[in-house]
Amino acid sequence: NAGVTQTPKFQVLKTGQSMTLQCAQDMNHEYMSWYRQDPGMGLRLIHYSVGAGITDQGEVPNGYNVSRSTTEDFPLRLLSAAPSQTSVYFCASSPKSGEVREQYFGPGTRLTVT
Amino acid sequence: GQSLEQPSEVTAVEGAIVQINCTYQTSGFYGLSWYQQHDGGAPTFLSYNALDGLEETGRFSSFLSRSDSYGYLLLQELQMKDSASYFCASDRADSSYKLIFGSGTRLLVRP
Repeated sequence: NAGVTQTPKFQVLKTGQSMTLQCAQDMNHEYMSWYRQDPGMGLRLIHYSVGAGITDQGEVPNGYNVSRSTTEDFPLRLLSAAPSQTSVYFCASSPKSGEVREQYFGPGTRLTVT
Repeated sequence: GQSLEQPSEVTAVEGAIVQINCTYQTSGFYGLSWYQQHDGGAPTFLSYNALDGLEETGRFSSFLSRSDSYGYLLLQELQMKDSASYFCASDRADSSYKLIFGSGTRLLVRP
């Protein structure tokens, strides 16, 4: 199993550009989530999904969209990039939607917005 | 709301024991998770406590006191590879499907 994979590893965007961060897992996990991590801070939940076709907002959803058309994939879309979205983005998954305590994280995407 | 407080940095000597504390204010608190993250890496799950008391997993143990809204991670026989950031995180009993993280404690292990 590859676990949770994320692409790209690094990305530089100009203000106003849009892009999609890809996340996939091959463990047949129901629950998937997106976090952002800023220097010296913990992870903040952006959006999550408890199964295909079901998504909901986390702590910091503004400026981001998600969709979940399959169990495997959970892409995160930046609508119009802003410098405040410079961060490291982690995708994670959990086998049980009702138990988010133990999540498996991808390697992260390091995004810089200039 | 939810908030978790941790010390920003802890330093310890190789072979010693170190405790990383976490206090929380979480409405509908259910349990406390601990994650480890090495520089440039992804967080990895270490342990979870839903009941009061100590859970032991090898050199790592985690403790929870629900009455004090407090938990800690105990690392024994410290090794240089334990230098990393450690995060506590809480989930809720209301099936809100959210794991909320503290800001993390950076552990530096010195020779």
